[in-house]
Amino acid sequence: DVKVTQSSRYLVKRTGEKVFLECVQDMDHENMFWYRQDPGLGLRLIYFSYDVKMKEKGDIPEGYSVSREKKERFSLILESASTNQTSMYLCASSFSPNYGYTFGSGTRLTVV
Amino acid sequence: SQKIEQNSEALNIQEGKTATLTCNYTNYSPAYLQWYRQDPGRGPVFLLLIRENEKEKRKERLKVTFDTTLKQSLFHITASQPADSATYLCALLTGGGNKLTFGTGTQLKVEL
Repeated sequence: DVKVTQSSRYLVKRTGEKVFLECVQDMDHENMFWYRQDPGLGLRLIYFSYDVKMKEKGDIPEGYSVSREKKERFSLILESASTNQTSMYLCASSFSPNYGYTFGSGTRLTVV
Repeated sequence: SQKIEQNSEALNIQEGKTATLTCNYTNYSPAYLQWYRQDPGRGPVFLLLIRENEKEKRKERLKVTFDTTLKQSLFHITASQPADSATYLCALLTGGGNKLTFGTGTQLKVEL
């Protein structure tokens, strides 16, 4: 089974801090995605990547950046964390966009 | 505007009955539609994918229909069990076929 591992289950950061959320997948998938999930808003796509060093903006990229230096690793960066970035962050990977996504367990980030 | 709508009210049914969840969409022409299950505090888990030229797809106790004229998908769980209690999300492949957009999900509760 494909495994997607997110480095932290819970994080608490202060406003203005630079935050790194790490995601690693073990099945050689080309495609990786970062979503955030908020009550009543569902999952919203932040960034995605189809290849190493490649990235594309999703629906809500403002305040975020990403890095994909290796195929298996896709990092989400909050350059200067703000309280409105308190959320559940979910990483996913897939063989292709036409296949089901495999999600990690999520990182619940609280910015205080 | 583009919308993916799932019933936000929880669906409560008795064990053994068939649960039917609805996903309606507007201003999309998806080639694929997917269904996921999500348990509290966890990432979504892929269940089924159905293509636009498929009317129906089955997997064990699960059945999905896809009506591109009505712009609707129905998700059925037959012989439901308390272990089926979860939130179910539908998702469409959008943005030219390179990203998955999710509905907000419907919570299903199966009671003894």
